[in-house]
Amino acid sequence: EIVLTQSPGTLSLSPGERATLSCRASQGVYTDYLAWYQKKPGQPPKLLVFGPSTRATGVPHRFSGSGSGTDFTLTIDRLEPEDFAVYYCQQYSTTPLTFGQGTRLDI
Amino acid sequence: QLQVQESGPGLVKPSETLSLTCSVSGGSITNTDYYWGWFRQPPGKGLEWIAYRYSGGSTYYNPTLKSRITISVDTSRNHFSLTLTSVTAADTATYYCASGRSYNPGVRDPFDVWGQGTSVTVS
Repeated sequence: EIVLTQSPGTLSLSPGERATLSCRASQGVYTDYLAWYQKKPGQPPKLLVFGPSTRATGVPHRFSGSGSGTDFTLTIDRLEPEDFAVYYCQQYSTTPLTFGQGTRLDI
Repeated sequence: QLQVQESGPGLVKPSETLSLTCSVSGGSITNTDYYWGWFRQPPGKGLEWIAYRYSGGSTYYNPTLKSRITISVDTSRNHFSLTLTSVTAADTATYYCASGRSYNPGVRDPFDVWGQGTSVTVS
């Protein structure tokens, strides 16, 4: 099983700032099948970026993904008020599919 | 536009069987361009993958749940279902169904179409 460790656990920033979220895998993620989801209370997860730098349809350009192998990053430029949420990385290369524990982005 | 929506009982007694259904609209569940999955999130905790199934029939289960779960498909109703046996309080969660694009065996996108989720309490 690939264990994903996200850091930091909580990130406190202000609108307009840049957020950098990290996801480290316990072993290489085959074909870089790593995705990032945004999760808000009462809503389903929303796919942001995958593969690991392809933005999902309709996702603003301020969201970008990077990395390879075991280290991946989600960057959110110029934070908007609606960006404050919990972010999860997920590897979808091998079963069991696994998620990181999440990074809470607080305003 | 493909959409999925969960439905289920809301409340299940311990040791009983939970059955959830995911209704698919805007596309066919037999379309091999997609694969279909189940996830859950216990209150205050993170996301957990349960299982996924390709339209061709190959099904993959989370090993921690494998002995208790079954995924089935009803093509006439265009829906797929999750059955979880011998539930306990630890199975209390919001359950989501989702779909993703599948291109070739082993080549796929992550799940990008999600239902709103259905809350299940075991008590």
